[in-house]
Amino acid sequence: AAGVIQSPRHLIKEKRETATLKCYPIPRHDTVYWYQQGPGQDPQFLISFYEKMQSDKGSIPDRFSAQQFSDYHSELNMSSLELGDSALYFCASSLGQVDTGELFFGEGSRLTVL
Amino acid sequence: AQSVAQPEDQVNVAEGNPLTVKCTYSVSGNPYLFWYVQYPNRGLQFLLKYITGDNLVKGSYGFEAEFNKSQTSFHLKKPSALVSDSALYFCAVRDRADSSYKLIFGSGTRLLVRP
Repeated sequence: AAGVIQSPRHLIKEKRETATLKCYPIPRHDTVYWYQQGPGQDPQFLISFYEKMQSDKGSIPDRFSAQQFSDYHSELNMSSLELGDSALYFCASSLGQVDTGELFFGEGSRLTVL
Repeated sequence: AQSVAQPEDQVNVAEGNPLTVKCTYSVSGNPYLFWYVQYPNRGLQFLLKYITGDNLVKGSYGFEAEFNKSQTSFHLKKPSALVSDSALYFCAVRDRADSSYKLIFGSGTRLLVRP
């Protein structure tokens, strides 16, 4: 079965650079969530989209922005990168705004800021 | 506000022995509860969830979890541990009273099963 696809899997950037992460949800899934997991930390919710509209916002820095496109894929744009942005970024998808449904996670994109 | 507590950073158990990974939660309404497992450098894999009904929930790979409303707990259990169960386990909660659909995760518990 198709899973959540994230790209790139690994990314190395310098401080103050920009980075873009992409997420392709499971086919027919219309809801996308972004999480950030620092070293040894639990996943922290950043932002979510439902039917191409932002549905919830968590601890996402103002330097970050995201959107969901017509084909339901999502991109997380990060600017003015800081050392503390080094983390594993997960995308998850689900079908609809179903409160009983689990989230399906991708393999993550590991961002290293030097 | 929703929160999840996993009081143990690490749980050590011998192969073949039963295992328990603890989780307690705090929500304003009634909870939906989830367990995920994470292997090194991999994404989170769904194990099981409690929505309603029977307090004992069975999931993937022989894992089960027991919902206890009075103790606000949702401990993960397995009757006989395997070395391959060694991984990082996350408990997560979604508050039914919250209009958001995100999951809030605990800090994770590393399970180490020794041969």
